[in-house]
Amino acid sequence: EDQVTQSPEALRLQEGESSSLNCSYTVSGLRGLFWYRQDPGKGPEFLFTLYSAGEEKEKERLKATLTKKESFLHITAPKPEDSATYLCAVRPPGSGNTGKLIFGQGTTLQVKP
Amino acid sequence: GAVVSQHPSWVICKSGTSVKIECRSLDFQATTMFWYRQFPKQSLMLMATSNEGSKATYEQGVEKDKFLINHASLTLSTLTVTSAHPEDSSFYICSALNPGSHEQYFGPGTRLTVT
Repeated sequence: EDQVTQSPEALRLQEGESSSLNCSYTVSGLRGLFWYRQDPGKGPEFLFTLYSAGEEKEKERLKATLTKKESFLHITAPKPEDSATYLCAVRPPGSGNTGKLIFGQGTTLQVKP
Repeated sequence: GAVVSQHPSWVICKSGTSVKIECRSLDFQATTMFWYRQFPKQSLMLMATSNEGSKATYEQGVEKDKFLINHASLTLSTLTVTSAHPEDSSFYICSALNPGSHEQYFGPGTRLTVT
């Protein structure tokens, strides 16, 4: 069964303390891995798409990387405004053209000033 | 990024009534949209895939007669919760699939409370 597992479930950082969030998946023949940010009471905001092992993408303090088994979301020198839940999702090969995604449970990040 | 809107952002209705939620893709045409439900502190649960010009595809366990989906145009999908009950109270989120990038862009969500 295709699965997406995110760790840790929750992460508390001090402002400026860099760290990484993990997303591991059992899907073979991945057709895309997606990172989203979700603030409380809002819909997820698209961050990155990764398609192949070795690929990296950056946006401000965030960098996403992909291997054959997992993806990391690196947060460099985080600020309190980076506090949110970060969701990882994969598009399995069986999704055809539907675009269906399998979501992980998310990592809730809290950055304290 | 792409913009997807939802209306209303919150709604309170009485048990037994129906409520309609609209999802619009504002800057691209979406042949495929998705409807999710999210419980507090949980991840997104896919309810159905909405296809323009054809019937929606529902996930296992989702009652198609209770959650009516209509994809009337390439920019509009609606979810109607019929004969609502308190257990239908939840956060409903739609997304639109960009056909070029295959990326899903989400709406801001609708908080439904059934009293």
